[in-house]
Amino acid sequence: EIVLTQSPATLSLSPGERATLSCRASQSVSSSLAWYQQKPGQAPRLLIYDASNRATGIPARFSGSGSGTDFTLTISSLEPEDFAVYYCQQRSSWPRTFGQGTKVEIK
Amino acid sequence: EVQLLESGGGLVQPGGSLRLSCEASGFTFSSFAMSWVRQTPGKGLEWVSTISGSGGSTYYADSVKGRFTISRDNSKNTLYLQMNSLRAEDTAVYYCATGLGATKYYFDYWGQGTLVTVSS
Repeated sequence: EIVLTQSPATLSLSPGERATLSCRASQSVSSSLAWYQQKPGQAPRLLIYDASNRATGIPARFSGSGSGTDFTLTISSLEPEDFAVYYCQQRSSWPRTFGQGTKVEIK
Repeated sequence: EVQLLESGGGLVQPGGSLRLSCEASGFTFSSFAMSWVRQTPGKGLEWVSTISGSGGSTYYADSVKGRFTISRDNSKNTLYLQMNSLRAEDTAVYYCATGLGATKYYFDYWGQGTLVTVSS
């Protein structure tokens, strides 16, 4: 099983600041990685797939990078609606696995 | 518009059974794999199971293998999850999810979730 480790667990930032979230895989997943955003009481929302492709309707301030074992989700300038929990997920092999999440909170 | 609507959650005793359903609309159901993903209260996401579009291939998390069975009825555009021998640790919100087109290998569309509580 591929273990995904996200860091930091919590990121305290102010609106307008840049957020950088990390996801590290226990073995290579090539570019087969996605990022999701989840707000309280809602289902997750796909942001990024194949490491760097924005899903439909996702604002350009969200970007993904990386390949192999190290991946980054960057939010260039935080909007109030971006404060949420973010998960990475790999589809390189079975079982599919998620990271434990990074909470982006208002400082 | 893609819609996924889960049902069938509820309170069940340890060792009991429950069947979840997910009714899909807005896309060619038989052409795409479907999955179940769960989330324990206050915790993270856990992939549970995936079934191919034809139903010929199924995949399970080790935590549910041998206890849960995923299936689909393409004539009814409905996905199922039969859960047997339920344990307290199966308590979670269960989502059905799918991806279409370029995102078909990911979870681009989600239902609203159905809560399963395993408790005596």
